Amino acid sequence: GENVEQHPSTLSVQEGDSAVIKCTYSDSASNYFPWYKQELGKRPQLIIDIRSNVGEKKDQRIAVTLNKTAKHFSLHITETQPEDSAVYFCAATGAAGNKLTFGGGTRVLVKP
Amino acid sequence: GAGVSQSPSNKVTEKGKDVELRCDPISGHTALYWYRQSLGQGLEFLIYFQGNSAPDKSGLPSDRFSAERTGGSVSTLTIQRTQQEDSAVYLCASSLDPGSEQYFGPGTRLTVT
Repeated sequence: GENVEQHPSTLSVQEGDSAVIKCTYSDSASNYFPWYKQELGKRPQLIIDIRSNVGEKKDQRIAVTLNKTAKHFSLHITETQPEDSAVYFCAATGAAGNKLTFGGGTRVLVKP
Repeated sequence: GAGVSQSPSNKVTEKGKDVELRCDPISGHTALYWYRQSLGQGLEFLIYFQGNSAPDKSGLPSDRFSAERTGGSVSTLTIQRTQQEDSAVYLCASSLDPGSEQYFGPGTRLTVT
């Protein structure tokens, strides 16, 4: 089955700096890669996603890149703000779309 | 419109007791998923329902876990003879169809004492 690895597990950045989180996946048939943000005690919320037919997607300060050949994808947050502090999860789903396999999460702390 | 709802929000039970967790998906969503999140950990897939198809139970950790979805809407996750290692937040999600964005409910925090 699918296996998703996520790095780093924790990330501390200064406000205004960029944050990058990287994930690798094992199933070459995976075709949908969402990123979720989870604040303490809250439910995961989708912040951006990418499908396997594109290499990059951007939404304001966040962007995701996908390298299908290398089977890895990354989340980029620019001009970080304290409210970006949360746990971020990457995930991948196979062709059937019947479940998400999540990475282990990255705890991001943005220091003011 | 209303999002995914789950009940109860918190459940404390004694080891060995059975528990039922409920999920109300977004109206019209054909796909429903259950995940488990242990403290400080990622999300672990448990089971998936799609329309009238047989559910994908490949993530259920033991035969003490079961789930059903009645009328293609509400789902119930049942854990029999609960163990302390079952303590976690159980999250339900739904999507319009397979491969679409999954919307998560607030979760049920289960504590087995």
